[in-house]
Amino acid sequence: KNEVEQSPQNLTAQEGEFITINCSYSVGISALHWLQQHPGGGIVSLFMLSSGKKKHGRLIATINIQEKHSSLHITASHPRDSAVYICAVRASGSRLTFGEGTQLTVNP
Amino acid sequence: NAGVTQTPKFQVLKTGQSMTLQCAQDMNHEYMSWYRQDPGMGLRLIHYSVGAGITDQGEVPNGYNVSRSTTEDFPLRLLSAAPSQTSVYFCASSYSLAADTQYFGPGTRLTVL
Repeated sequence: KNEVEQSPQNLTAQEGEFITINCSYSVGISALHWLQQHPGGGIVSLFMLSSGKKKHGRLIATINIQEKHSSLHITASHPRDSAVYICAVRASGSRLTFGEGTQLTVNP
Repeated sequence: NAGVTQTPKFQVLKTGQSMTLQCAQDMNHEYMSWYRQDPGMGLRLIHYSVGAGITDQGEVPNGYNVSRSTTEDFPLRLLSAAPSQTSVYFCASSYSLAADTQYFGPGTRLTVL
């Protein structure tokens, strides 16, 4: 079993829909990252969380440390949100461990 | 700022050949790392560096060497390429190991025949 599990693996939505991507992890962590990988391959950091919730534009990330679970929400989705969304966790003082990613396609 | 740059973008090698993937950053970041990305797997750490002159192995270091002679540059050397090293390679940097933002290069797509 991977240390970081993402669901779903693939997600197709219609423009305007509310989207949720989930990340579960099995180890104690000091931080959790959400990243976005564009269709061209480039990877961009979206959030780092150690507790609670963060919001940036239409993106919201939450984490429940006790449940070892994080969610990434996209409100009013748009075709330009189509990308792979990657969850990564860092146990204290160690390297990042990445999930396999969730492929999101938003259709107009 | 150019951010994190990687060269080349694409490379085809024959089994047994050696080559160096270049990575540079102009943000004065201490922490730099190399990852490989394979279908059906998350990014996996090959080697990392917490500062000039300091490198360490990651999860999948076999077949790769690194050095960090300057803060800016962190080249990855493939000593004798194997088909199992066919992958997309990403270099990343951040202010520190625990920094909240990781900056990734555009990637190098390597095929070993």
